[in-house]
Amino acid sequence: DQQVKQNSPSLSVQEGRISILNCDYTNSMFDYFLWYKKYPAEGPTFLISISSIKDKNEDGRFTVFLNKSAKHLSLHIVPSQPGDSAVYFCAASVSGNNRKLIWGLGTSLAVNP
Amino acid sequence: EAQVTQNPRYLITVTGKKLTVTCSQNMNHEYMSWYRQDPGLGLRQIYYSMNVEVTDKGDVPEGYKVSRKEKRNFPLILESPSPNQTSLYFCASTRERRPGPYGYTFGSGTRLTVV
Repeated sequence: DQQVKQNSPSLSVQEGRISILNCDYTNSMFDYFLWYKKYPAEGPTFLISISSIKDKNEDGRFTVFLNKSAKHLSLHIVPSQPGDSAVYFCAASVSGNNRKLIWGLGTSLAVNP
Repeated sequence: EAQVTQNPRYLITVTGKKLTVTCSQNMNHEYMSWYRQDPGLGLRQIYYSMNVEVTDKGDVPEGYKVSRKEKRNFPLILESPSPNQTSLYFCASTRERRPGPYGYTFGSGTRLTVV
């Protein structure tokens, strides 16, 4: 049973527009949510995170929003650039000694020039 | 440059032939972990280590071993590989007590094929 779900396998946007990537979760015990970007033949690269006690975190062009009542988070990229084309993973951190991340299956973003 | 280095990047082997995938980090991180990535299943944790000589099982440890004799190295050992271990493997490390807010640093991955 997937505890972290990214329901859109792919997304295509025009350069300069906003990209919105969505993620839903089921476990109320998650304490941090993280977004990673992955290019082909490379490992995932950490982008941005948000604590479960916050509802927004911003870093440059990237903003993550957390809606705890809906168990939903989203990553906004504004403006989108062709170099943002990659697979984006949502992950959640489980409270406890094992710093394990529970991962979504990813959304492939294509930013078209 | 701060990084996690995995070797080899690609490996094709035969069933039953023992192999080791190496992982090394130069950031003095205490915590290291191995994940495998499979289509439709995402990334799943195999083993993790919270410090030297401290290791524990993740979600899918069967068929794997690890060791942590030095802080920087965390090799993944397949004593008798089987075809269902064909996968993309990632090593990761972090200095934090929790993955957030800084997340893990990942290696570039090892594509393993067992025939």
